[in-house]
Amino acid sequence: DSGVTQTPKHLITATGQRVTLRCSPRSGDLSVYWYQQSLDQGLQFLIQYYNGEERAKGNILERFSAQQFPDLHSELNLSSLELGDSALYFCASSAAPGLAVKTNEQFFGPGTRLTVL
Amino acid sequence: DAKTTQPPSMDCAEGRAANLPCNHSTISGNEYVYWYRQIHSQGPQYIIHGLKNNETNEMASLIITEDRKSSTLILPHATLRDTAVYYCIVRVAGDSNYQLIWGAGTKLIIKP
Repeated sequence: DSGVTQTPKHLITATGQRVTLRCSPRSGDLSVYWYQQSLDQGLQFLIQYYNGEERAKGNILERFSAQQFPDLHSELNLSSLELGDSALYFCASSAAPGLAVKTNEQFFGPGTRLTVL
Repeated sequence: DAKTTQPPSMDCAEGRAANLPCNHSTISGNEYVYWYRQIHSQGPQYIIHGLKNNETNEMASLIITEDRKSSTLILPHATLRDTAVYYCIVRVAGDSNYQLIWGAGTKLIIKP
């Protein structure tokens, strides 16, 4: 158990709909990352938040958005869903800069499997 | 971040050492080598990382060549539970942006 939780585990929805994925980082971690993994593909970095502020952006579509709340949990919002958005979505967290910096280890949650029909 | 090259798949017999190679010929002096693994659609798991010295922990050993252009992850006594996709990633440590750039990885199959 990494200490990172994600809900829901599975989500089935229709094209054109909007969904929200939720992530709670490990206790004490201020950074949260979102990744997308399509079938049999590697992980694609989407976005990183640190202590409530956006820190880095990857290949995130304009239809997707994220935020990190004061309690440090994060939500990834996916709108106008398309069939190609079906994927595993992982959240990861890491320690704040200055703490365990040598490791930069990211702890991953179990993922949310999104199916768009 | 430097690009890495890994074989797409490897087999290893249970109980033997699994040696997973990774090429990172364009690695910069301040970039570390990280290894993660992903067991069948679970969240990836950190294994080990290193800069230039060989490293060992309870899970594995990491051997980095002197020129740092390649490395090998060694699982000393592979078990069936080590069947997974193994990712080699190079990145700068201590950067405020900790994003990891993932390649296709090596699918390691441990056979009984």
